[in-house]
Amino acid sequence: AQKITQTQPGMFVQEKEAVTLDCTYDTSDQSYGLFWYKQPSSGEMIFLIYQGSYDEQNATEGRYSLNFQKARKSANLVISASQLGDSAMYFCAMRKDTGRRALTFGSGTRLQVQP
Amino acid sequence: SAVISQKPSRDICQRGTSLTIQCQVDSQVTMMFWYRQQPGQSLTLIATANQGSEATYESGFVIDKFPISRPNLTFSTLTVSNMSPEDSSIYLCSVALGLAGRGEQFFGPGTRLTVL
Repeated sequence: AQKITQTQPGMFVQEKEAVTLDCTYDTSDQSYGLFWYKQPSSGEMIFLIYQGSYDEQNATEGRYSLNFQKARKSANLVISASQLGDSAMYFCAMRKDTGRRALTFGSGTRLQVQP
Repeated sequence: SAVISQKPSRDICQRGTSLTIQCQVDSQVTMMFWYRQQPGQSLTLIATANQGSEATYESGFVIDKFPISRPNLTFSTLTVSNMSPEDSSIYLCSVALGLAGRGEQFFGPGTRLTVL
């Protein structure tokens, strides 16, 4: 079984600063993917970034980067130069590469960006 | 990426009634997923819907309560039957893209359901 742990229920960051959202995972699978989603108050789930377990380089998408440490089973999201519009819930998720490919989610972190 | 639409975007329903949620994708996909997000909670998988076969339900979810249709590779419906206030949630459909199990997974905008 897969498990995702997000230990930060809430985080504050000053506008224009960087912030790291923590995510650790547990799985016995060798091939899997790790995801981060942003959920604003509207409720939609916005895909941010994906990291495959065999990818040698950390994934980056604009201001988002994923700090992947496979041996430690962590997949932290780094947001650089925070903006007020980054205030939202952030969910870490994982999915094995075989079978039904359904996502398992963590409990989420609420990020608030302060001016 | 995939463009996913859901109807309705929100609804307020009376207990004991049923609501059918539609999910439309702009490309053919093998697997579609239905998730539920109860207020203040994370997302929980309800079922996986494959075209041409019965949906696969997760523990705690049954077909009589959440019947699913998957008539083709771009469309699916989820029905919430005999609703109670505990069914008040956001319901989201999702599709996985990419080859050999890898790649992004996208969500529809969600259906916000309130049951009175």
